[in-house]
Amino acid sequence: EVQLVESGGGLVQPGGSLRLSCSVSGFTFSRHYMTWVRQAPGKGLEWVAKTWPDGSGKSYADSVQGRFTISRDNAKNSLYLQMSNVRVEDTAMYYCAKEEWYRYDYWGQGTLVSVSS
Amino acid sequence: QSGLTQPPSASGSPGQSVTISCTGTNSDIGAYNHVSWYQQHPYKAPKLILFEVNERPSGVPDRFSGSKSGNTASLTVSGLQAEDEADYYCSSHAGTKNVIFGGGTKLTVL
Repeated sequence: EVQLVESGGGLVQPGGSLRLSCSVSGFTFSRHYMTWVRQAPGKGLEWVAKTWPDGSGKSYADSVQGRFTISRDNAKNSLYLQMSNVRVEDTAMYYCAKEEWYRYDYWGQGTLVSVSS
Repeated sequence: QSGLTQPPSASGSPGQSVTISCTGTNSDIGAYNHVSWYQQHPYKAPKLILFEVNERPSGVPDRFSGSKSGNTASLTVSGLQAEDEADYYCSSHAGTKNVIFGGGTKLTVL
């Protein structure tokens, strides 16, 4: 059974930092692209960042470029999102997802990030 | 940030069919067949229900079907059931923007 479990969300002040984690099981993690997608309260979905299977390539949405860093540890079957210089508009549920050809076939349950002073 | 355009709401009675549109541009839907649809129930994670325009993942009922014409994709839900009431999101590969989503459509089963 495929499982993705996010953690690390919480309340952070504007300008602060937070690190999200996603622990994966049930598939060969090192062979797949992985992605973070977020959803602001009451709003739609937004792709945030993506990493290549071996971690050699990464891409980011314009809204987080230069502030967020995606990474992975294939030995630990884990995906990460380092969030820096966060803004109020980064408040959202953050989902990690397994990507196959620009579709997200498995999702975690999400971890909530709230940015507020 | 621009995204795909979906109607905010749709509705139908049990047993009826409903179609939800998703309009993009010739840089996303019009350029690629990597169009997907997701179903999201309240307080749940999204679930993939269609990919590559009209392919269904294992376990998704064939009541869900998709199509594409030009820059517009569509999701049709046939034989509406109460459990189909949810939010539906389309997405498309968009070149250097990777993947963009629609704003979502709330489907109500009357």
